[in-house]
Amino acid sequence: GAVVSQHPSWVICKSGTSVKIECRSLDFQATTMFWYRQFPKQSLMLMATSNEGSKATYEQGVEKDKFLINHASLTLSTLTVTSAHPEDSSFYICSASQLRGGAQETQYFGPGTRLLVL
Amino acid sequence: LAKTTQPISMDSYEGQEVNITCSHNNIATNDYITWYQQFPSQGPRFIIQGYKTKVTNEVASLFIPADRKSSTLSLPRVSLSDTAVYYCLVGDLWDTGRRALTFGSGTRLQVQP
Repeated sequence: GAVVSQHPSWVICKSGTSVKIECRSLDFQATTMFWYRQFPKQSLMLMATSNEGSKATYEQGVEKDKFLINHASLTLSTLTVTSAHPEDSSFYICSASQLRGGAQETQYFGPGTRLLVL
Repeated sequence: LAKTTQPISMDSYEGQEVNITCSHNNIATNDYITWYQQFPSQGPRFIIQGYKTKVTNEVASLFIPADRKSSTLSLPRVSLSDTAVYYCLVGDLWDTGRRALTFGSGTRLQVQP
């Protein structure tokens, strides 16, 4: 249980184009999903928190107009990198929270999407 | 959210037990402790989670002292495939509208043959 998928697993695009990344919780409903970005040899950095049916909450320094997040259902959240540039090249990882025993939630992570902008 | 401190790296050999300790002096009453494993170019994988004392599952044990200001992840009889980065996270996902767990620098474990 608690499987999170991402699509695509990797993408190469030209500078100026937009790229959409999908994140799905396969066997549970996730009212909250999170998007992270990870540069080589670094830790994960939270970009935004996505709640189903409402606007995403972005971390300081993350441009909401550049990184569009949609969470239209309890099992799907999408991240669109608009007008991508080479500096947006990174490893994007989503996660979804699931309620565990004892009322504690745990985050389960997707496999990540490698974005390379040429 | 409580900040965590872990060793940057550790080395071990196959078959040995590995203990990775994480300090979280500012842990709050409602915070849980969660450990993740990450391989290169993959998303973090949940290992174990606990609140106090000891928790054990099929892959690891988690030891938490009474004051909860630290925790130790114990990996029994590691193999080469356990070479990865291990993250200790502390937080309460129910706090302030389901805040995400914050990642520290993690511990890079290298297992040698």
